[in-house]
Amino acid sequence: DAGVTQSPTHLIKTRGQQVTLRCSPKSGHDTVSWYQQALGQGPQFIFQYYEEEERQRGNFPDRFSGHQFPNYSSELNVNALLLGDSALYLCASSRSSPGGYTEAFFGQGTRLTVV
Amino acid sequence: AQKITQTQPGMFVQEKEAVTLDCTYDTSDPSYGLFWYKQPSSGEMIFLIYQGSYDQQNATEGRYSLNFQKARKSANLVISASQLGDSAMYFCGNGGTSYGKLTFGQGTILTVHP
Repeated sequence: DAGVTQSPTHLIKTRGQQVTLRCSPKSGHDTVSWYQQALGQGPQFIFQYYEEEERQRGNFPDRFSGHQFPNYSSELNVNALLLGDSALYLCASSRSSPGGYTEAFFGQGTRLTVV
Repeated sequence: AQKITQTQPGMFVQEKEAVTLDCTYDTSDPSYGLFWYKQPSSGEMIFLIYQGSYDQQNATEGRYSLNFQKARKSANLVISASQLGDSAMYFCGNGGTSYGKLTFGQGTILTVHP
């Protein structure tokens, strides 16, 4: 059973460009969340997708957008890249469980460097 | 709003010794969950342990136990019999109930010496 897979693993982009990161959730999971982790910091919540809709959003500008497909996979898009967008981007998947705890499984992340 | 505070930027422990990583939290939710993740240098976040706010007993998972003190709003992680492979960054966090975001602390780097 494959866990959460993210692609690409590393990426270098130029300031002002656009980037798309991809995530395939763990089998049986229907919810995907994205996190940004700057060097030396804890992960920061960007947004969460469930049933192909954005269900919750953190404190990130509209340059950050996403999508979830019918097979539950997800994309994170960042427009007009800034140097400060350089970070490890983590995808987490979970199984929706109303009223109860649901463990989140993380991928290995995409290391984005903006130059 | 949720806030997680980890006051120990780095901790050192001798192999086979026990170590406690501190975590305090602040939340206005009446029901919440607390958890710990381990992040090796590879970057992947590895789930260690979870404690629900209404759980009567402290959570344990193998060598990991969570010392939950609700009145003090603390959720410390205790690792018994440390191993060299335990060297990593450790994050405490809040969330995970039903759906919704996970809020993480700044992390503690644990180094296990032989």
